[in-house]
Amino acid sequence: QKEVEQNSGPLSVPEGAIASLNCTYSDRVSQSFFWYRQYSGKSPELIMSIYSNGDKEDGRFTAQLNKASQYVSLLIRDSQPSDSATYLCAALDSNYQLIWGAGTKLIIKP
Amino acid sequence: NAGVTQTPKFQVLKTGQSMTLQCAQDMNHNSMYWYRQDPGMGLRLIYYSASEGTTDKGEVPNGYNVSRLNKREFSLRLESAAPSQTSVYFCASSEVPEGFNGYTFGSGTRLTVV
Repeated sequence: QKEVEQNSGPLSVPEGAIASLNCTYSDRVSQSFFWYRQYSGKSPELIMSIYSNGDKEDGRFTAQLNKASQYVSLLIRDSQPSDSATYLCAALDSNYQLIWGAGTKLIIKP
Repeated sequence: NAGVTQTPKFQVLKTGQSMTLQCAQDMNHNSMYWYRQDPGMGLRLIYYSASEGTTDKGEVPNGYNVSRLNKREFSLRLESAAPSQTSVYFCASSEVPEGFNGYTFGSGTRLTVV
């Protein structure tokens, strides 16, 4: 069974620090990975996608992919209270279906 | 550009009642999806439609039916609502395979069955 695993948290990080969110996946076929942010009571919104090994940066966000270790991470630099949300990791399978993790709740403390 | 539009946003049903959740997208996407999200359970796929004219069961299809009315619209029907179907329902769409860049979600329908 294809799975995406995330620590449910909550992960508490001081304002201004780096938040590190992690995700592992079981399907070696997966080549593309996505990070979504979901505020309480709202729908998920795409914040980052990554397809190649290494780092991909977009503003304060950096996605990291290690296919050999089947590991994806999201770093948020200079964390702000507005970053407090649940972060969902997803892996794309061979049928173009997203396999979802259960999400990590992130709390940024002022 | 509205993206994915879901109606209604909130609904309360009595056990045994039926209702249809509506979803429409204006991005000309081929694929559409219905998910439910319960606390601590993450997103669970109910049904999906890979392209106009096709529908397939997802992880939790029991108690639901779907219709892909045309390329834009994908509806979800509860024939006889049960309290276990109390949840938040999300519709999503995506372009496949060329141009795939994740799913775009609607704002959700919060359904309570009493």
